Amino acid sequence: AQRVTQPEKLLSVFKGAPVELKCNYSYSGSPELFWYVQYSRQRLQLLLRHISRESIKGFTADLNKGETSFHLKKPFAQEEDSAMYYCALYGKGGGSYIPTFGRGTSLIVHP
Amino acid sequence: EADIYQTPRYLVIGTGKKITLECSQTMGHDKMYWYQQDPGMELHLIHYSYGVNSTEKGDLSSESTVSRIRTEHFPLTLESARPSHTSQYLCASYLSSTDTQYFGPGTRLTVL
Repeated sequence: AQRVTQPEKLLSVFKGAPVELKCNYSYSGSPELFWYVQYSRQRLQLLLRHISRESIKGFTADLNKGETSFHLKKPFAQEEDSAMYYCALYGKGGGSYIPTFGRGTSLIVHP
Repeated sequence: EADIYQTPRYLVIGTGKKITLECSQTMGHDKMYWYQQDPGMELHLIHYSYGVNSTEKGDLSSESTVSRIRTEHFPLTLESARPSHTSQYLCASYLSSTDTQYFGPGTRLTVL
C-alpha cells in the first residue's frame, strides 16, 4: 500500500523566512513524487516533480529514500507563496496509475 | 485550446434530485479521475478511468456513477443527491509521459 503523510495542516511564516513543508511517504517500490499547489480561487496545479530536480518559483524538493521523505523548501518565503500544498506519490506497481495525495499543508506567509 | 473543462462551476439543488457533473478534456489523455475535496482539505478519489469503457471506483465510498464512452468525456452522475454530497468535485486527466495530472476548475455542489 502507498501512503503520503503531510504532518502539518498549517504552516505560518513571515515574509523572508525559510519555509519547509514536510512530506513522508510509504511505498514498497521506487516512487515518483510530486508537489502540487492550489492558490486561492485557482486550480490545483503541478509545482514540481522529483525526477526533474528543478527549482520552480524558488522551491526545491529532494527525494530522500533513506528517510522516505520529499520535503519542499524555499529559502525566503514571499506573500504570493501563500497557498495549499499537496504532496503526491505515483506508484506504478501492477500497471496502476493511481496517485496518492497527502492531506495538504496550508502555507500562510505574513507581510 | 488544450484544457480540461468542468460544468457547471456552481450548482445548488434540492435533496433527491438527479444531477450530472460534466468533465471534458481536449488533451487526448487516456486516464481521467474524479476527486471530492472540501475546501482546504485532502483529495478523495471517487472514480477513475484508464480509457474508453473503463471505469473503476476509488477509495471513497460514493453513491455516484461515471461513464467513459468517449476519450474526452467523463461525466459523474448522482442519482439522488443528499446534503452529505455537498462538496467540491475535481476532475483530472493524466499525461503518462510526464506522470502529471491536470485538474479542472472544479464544480462546487450544494445540496439543500
